[in-house]
Amino acid sequence: GESVGLHLPTLSVQEGDNSIINCAYSNSASDYFIWYKQESGKGPQFIIDIRSNMDKRQGQRVTVLLNKTVKHLSLQIAATQPGDSAVYFCAENPTNNYGQNFVFGPGTRLSVLP
Amino acid sequence: EAQVTQNPRYLITVTGKKLTVTCSQNMNHEYMSWYRQDPGLGLRQIYYSMNVEVTDKGDVPEGYKVSRKEKRNFPLILESPSPNQTSLYFCASSSTGIEQYFGPGTRLTVT
Repeated sequence: GESVGLHLPTLSVQEGDNSIINCAYSNSASDYFIWYKQESGKGPQFIIDIRSNMDKRQGQRVTVLLNKTVKHLSLQIAATQPGDSAVYFCAENPTNNYGQNFVFGPGTRLSVLP
Repeated sequence: EAQVTQNPRYLITVTGKKLTVTCSQNMNHEYMSWYRQDPGLGLRQIYYSMNVEVTDKGDVPEGYKVSRKEKRNFPLILESPSPNQTSLYFCASSSTGIEQYFGPGTRLTVT
């Protein structure tokens, strides 16, 4: 079945370094991909999205890269800060029907070391 | 303040006792969804709604019901809860169907 997965379940980085969180997806027909951040005890928070007709999109301190050839998505966080410590989820929209059927990966826990 | 609220935040109940988890948003969003989050499984969609009186099943709808009688509210109903429905539940809303705003979560334990 369709799935969204992550290469690493945990990631520890030094404060100030850049972080790269990876995600593999299985449905080449997916149109939208989204990254969410979930802090302990809170609901997921939208970070950035990218559409399948793009290969890169930048936000504030974050960049998402999409490689459709190998069905890989990554989230890069520049100058990682303690407040970036959280679980990060990627999600894809395999049905291209907005509002439904976003498939989430199991998440990667990012720990920022002082 | 724009937000999605859920009640209750924590609930412990017994098998078979009907319960409702409420969800309300004040952003006039068309799209609303319910998810459950279980360790190692990420978020799985239970039901979604694209507008008033329009609802459809997500990936794991068994054992759940929803209704969307008004735009702001999207309650999740468990007619006969079972222990395998012990989970962390999130409601979300969206104006575009893409960027979703999540509530704070409801932790449900069914004994």
